This record gives sequence, C-alpha cells and structure tokens, in this order.
Amino acid sequence: QVQLQESGPGLVKPSETLSLTCAVSGYSISSGYYWGWIRQPPGKGLEWIGSIYHSGSTYYNPSLKSRVTISVDTSKNQFSLKLSSVTAADTAVYYCATSEGHWFDPWGQGTLVTVSS
Amino acid sequence: QSALTQPPSASGSPGQSVTISCTGTSSDVGGYNYVSWYQQHPGKAPKLMIYEVSKRPSGVPDRFSGSKSGNTASLTVSGLQAEDEADYYCSSYAGSNNPFVFGTGTKVTVL
Repeated sequence: QVQLQESGPGLVKPSETLSLTCAVSGYSISSGYYWGWIRQPPGKGLEWIGSIYHSGSTYYNPSLKSRVTISVDTSKNQFSLKLSSVTAADTAVYYCATSEGHWFDPWGQGTLVTVSS
Repeated sequence: QSALTQPPSASGSPGQSVTISCTGTSSDVGGYNYVSWYQQHPGKAPKLMIYEVSKRPSGVPDRFSGSKSGNTASLTVSGLQAEDEADYYCSSYAGSNNPFVFGTGTKVTVL
C-alpha cells in the first residue's frame, strides 16, 4: 500500500525558507493521484497548504500562495514543499498525503517544524 | 475561505451514539458531495474515516456513518468505544481555487 514519509529540518530561522520532502513508497507518483501538504500548528486545527498532480499542475491555498512552491521529482518518487519568508506563525506539524479524489488518504506521520532564531 | 464550523467537543458513554456537525456554506459543503471526515488520536496523523459524504474506506467500522443536509454535514459514531476518543475534522471541496477546506475540529470524549 502507499506509504509517505516526511523529512527536513526541524528548526528554521524567521524570514528563511522552510523546505520539506515527502518520500513515497508502494506507488509510483508518475502513475497519477494528487500529492498534498497539510499543516497543523500546535494545539490547533488542520490547514491545507497545497497539492500537485503527477503531471506537475499545482493548486495552492490562496492565503499561502505567494509563499508556497510544491514540486515533484518522479525520478526519486518524492515531492517537496518550500515555504518562504517564514514566521513563528508557520510553526506546525507538516503532513504530506495523497488524494485520489477530494479527500486525503493515506497521510505521512508528520514532522514538526519550529520557526525560531 | 473560512474554516468549516464544528462544535469544540462532544461526548457519550460506551455503547451510545454521538453526532458531530460540520457547517459550511453553499460554496463548499452545500455545493458539492465532497465532504470527508478524519479521526486524529493525540500525536498521530489524521486517518480518513468517511469520504464523499457517506462512503467508508476499507477497514473503517460501519459504526461510523456520514450524511449531509444543505450546508451542514454530520458524522455519527454509533456504539461508542473507548478507542473512538479522538479529535475529528471534517473537510470539504470548495471549488478549484481552494480545493480543500477543513473544519475547526471536535474533541470526542467517551465518558
């Protein structure tokens, strides 16, 4: 079955760029589906960040669009998130997930990213 | 696009039923049959419980059911069990400009 695993720095300085990668196993990204990023600030709810189709088409949350870039690397079977100009408000657990339709399943285990100097 | 509105908490005794509401607008919940529900235990990733309003993924007990009326979707957990104690989030498609909107979340407590 499809499995996803996030990786990246756990600490990012304010104003810098947050970069995360999601490695996919059990399914070839190039075969289809949408691949997305969702975050959850400590003690708060879920927020969709954006998604990418295997062809490279991207869809971003309007509130984050100016700072977000999602890309896919089919050769490594992984996709990535870049969030620029981060502030403390971007501190959250970041999840990657896949969507066959208008839902997410499965999800990665999540990775905590803290924005602090 | 605002988050969908859920009650902060809900509770029930073992064996009872609990229903969680998820209220949106005609631009999201009311406009599409693309409501999904997720269960999240502390420190764990969310797990899909319901998709497309009322469909259950393989492996999800039939104690979990979903429905929708107008701009409000609902998740009902029947025959509550201790392991159902978790946070629950709804989500809806909200158009091509903002495909995924999540609810505010509901903490379900099994008394």
